[in-house]
Amino acid sequence: GQNIDQPTEMTATEGAIVQINCTYQTSGFNGLFWYQQHAGEAPTFLSYNVLDGLEEKGRFSSFLSRSKGYSYLLLKELQMKDSASYLCAVVDSNYQLIWGAGTKLIIKP
Amino acid sequence: GAVVSQHPSWVICKSGTSVKIECRSLDFQATTMFWYRQFPKQSLMLMATSNEGSKATYEQGVEKDKFLINHASLTLSTLTVTSAHPEDSSFYICSATEREHSYNEQFFGPGTRLTVL
Repeated sequence: GQNIDQPTEMTATEGAIVQINCTYQTSGFNGLFWYQQHAGEAPTFLSYNVLDGLEEKGRFSSFLSRSKGYSYLLLKELQMKDSASYLCAVVDSNYQLIWGAGTKLIIKP
Repeated sequence: GAVVSQHPSWVICKSGTSVKIECRSLDFQATTMFWYRQFPKQSLMLMATSNEGSKATYEQGVEKDKFLINHASLTLSTLTVTSAHPEDSSFYICSATEREHSYNEQFFGPGTRLTVL
């Protein structure tokens, strides 16, 4: 079966750095997405990785290793507004988008 | 950027009634629209994929007679929850893409919160 694993919840301090991991086992791979979702709102796109390596975009970076079935989202200089759920999603060989359960990130002052 | 709207934002209805949710792409033509359902503290669950002018493709376990999807134009898709029951209470989110399989250009609507009494 297809499976995406992420931690359920993480806590970090304002101004610090946090890394949210995502491991996947899917039938094929055509890219991995990270989305941010605030409570009661729809997801917003953060990043898309299809090749191995690190993609940096401001305070957020996303890393992918296809051989390991592994990705992480790195958030730097954390702000209170970064408190949200972070969803990892993988496109499989049938171009179906498989969603992880999300990681709830709690930022403390 | 591309904008997707949903209407209504929230709806409360009695058990047994039907509710229609609209999803519109405001500044682009949506070849494909997706309907998701999200229960509290859970991830998004894809319900169905619809392409303009054709029947929707439902995910396993989603009743097509209960969740009616109509993608009548390139800018509008509707989801009708027929004979709603309390267990249908959820957050319903649509998304749209201009091209099939172009998930990196998937734009989400703001969601509709349905509460069935």
